Amino acid sequence: AQSVTQLDSHVSVSEGTPVLLRCNYSSSYSPSLFWYVQHPNKGLQLLLKYTSAATLVKGINGFEAEFKKSETSFHLTKPSAHMSDAAEYFCVVSYMFSGGYNKLIFGAGTRLAVHP
Amino acid sequence: DSGVTQTPKHLITATGQRVTLRCSPRSGDLSVYWYQQSLDQGLQFLIHYYNGEERAKGNILERFSAQQFPDLHSELNLSSLELGDSALYFCASSPGLAETYNEQFFGPGTRLTVL
Repeated sequence: AQSVTQLDSHVSVSEGTPVLLRCNYSSSYSPSLFWYVQHPNKGLQLLLKYTSAATLVKGINGFEAEFKKSETSFHLTKPSAHMSDAAEYFCVVSYMFSGGYNKLIFGAGTRLAVHP
Repeated sequence: DSGVTQTPKHLITATGQRVTLRCSPRSGDLSVYWYQQSLDQGLQFLIHYYNGEERAKGNILERFSAQQFPDLHSELNLSSLELGDSALYFCASSPGLAETYNEQFFGPGTRLTVL
């Protein structure tokens, strides 16, 4: 069965310091993994996706994520936080149904706060 | 802007009532997905339509139903509303059916408040 666990419900950082949002997944086969961001009162926006072409994935706004199969992890990082990064972040695994279609399974989310 | 539109943005109604939420996918996308986001349940997949046909069901209540029309827009119908149905309802679209690496593009959501 496919599942995803975000290890921190809240993360607080100072502006200019690194960001680390942790995600572990469970999948019976090679997974498709995504990070989405949701700003207050907004829809979800794709930050980046893992497509098996490279284990280090670069996304928008300076975010990166590294796929580590041995650790079943897909942690999201950013070298230097900006105030505008304050939002909720969702780690997502794509689940394939036997009928040949897929759905997304969302983690519980990590709320990132950025302080001046 | 994802290209997915949802109307209305906000909806306030009473228990026992019925509402319809509307979604227009990105141009060219054939798949439409509906999600419910609530504080206690998080983001949950409700249902998936592809080119007018239902393809997958998630945690969708029997009081809820959806359809996708020939022009590919979709409607989510919620009936006999209860207080617990208050949530943010998202629609998402993607180009095809089962392209594993294709992300879904989300609309801005409809916030439903049941009083």
